[in-house]
Amino acid sequence: KQEVTQIPAALSVPEGENLVLNCSFTDSAIYNLQWFRQDPGKGLTSLLLIQSSQREQTSGRLNASLDKSSGRSTLYIAASQPGDSATYLCAVDARSGGGADGLTFGKGTHLIIQP
Amino acid sequence: DTEVTQTPKHLVMGMTNKKSLKCEQHMGHRAMYWYKQKAKKPPELMFVYSYEKLSINESVPSRFSPECPNSSLLNLHLHALQPEDSALYLCASSQDGAVGGPNSPLHFGNGTRLTVT
Repeated sequence: KQEVTQIPAALSVPEGENLVLNCSFTDSAIYNLQWFRQDPGKGLTSLLLIQSSQREQTSGRLNASLDKSSGRSTLYIAASQPGDSATYLCAVDARSGGGADGLTFGKGTHLIIQP
Repeated sequence: DTEVTQTPKHLVMGMTNKKSLKCEQHMGHRAMYWYKQKAKKPPELMFVYSYEKLSINESVPSRFSPECPNSSLLNLHLHALQPEDSALYLCASSQDGAVGGPNSPLHFGNGTRLTVT
């Protein structure tokens, strides 16, 4: 059974710092990995999707990398801003072909950017 | 604003009530999903409706039943719920589905906050 772990569980840094969020997964047979952002009481917003054949994806100040063989992904946030404060969730798509197929989520990293 | 619309935003119901949650998307996506999220926990998949085929997470109790009237709508019918079913219910859609080509991101709605009394 696929398990996804995110480290750290919580992170608080001053505005302007660059930071890295970590995600690891136990089964390397994945189709893709997605990073989401969730604000309190809201749904999830997709930030980046990395296909299994890709090594990284970039969107603005965000860069996500994928090392499928070692079961790891990182989300790099450059020049952090208070508006980046949210919970960041990593999810892998590893369809088993049986039952309900969907994403397996980590528990998230709760990020606070101090003004 | 999200492209996946969920109604209602909040719902309080008693254990003997019957209610429905609604989800709509107009992006032409072929797969729609229901997830359940408890406080400070990650979302858990309940149902997938992909290319008109329903897949069920076997751990979901029968008091939850999905319905897909057409490719842009997905309902979740609730009956005889328990207080532990109180959670944020999230609907999502993706361009492709669980069967066939992967690699399209999921688009989530803002959820329905359900409280069972």
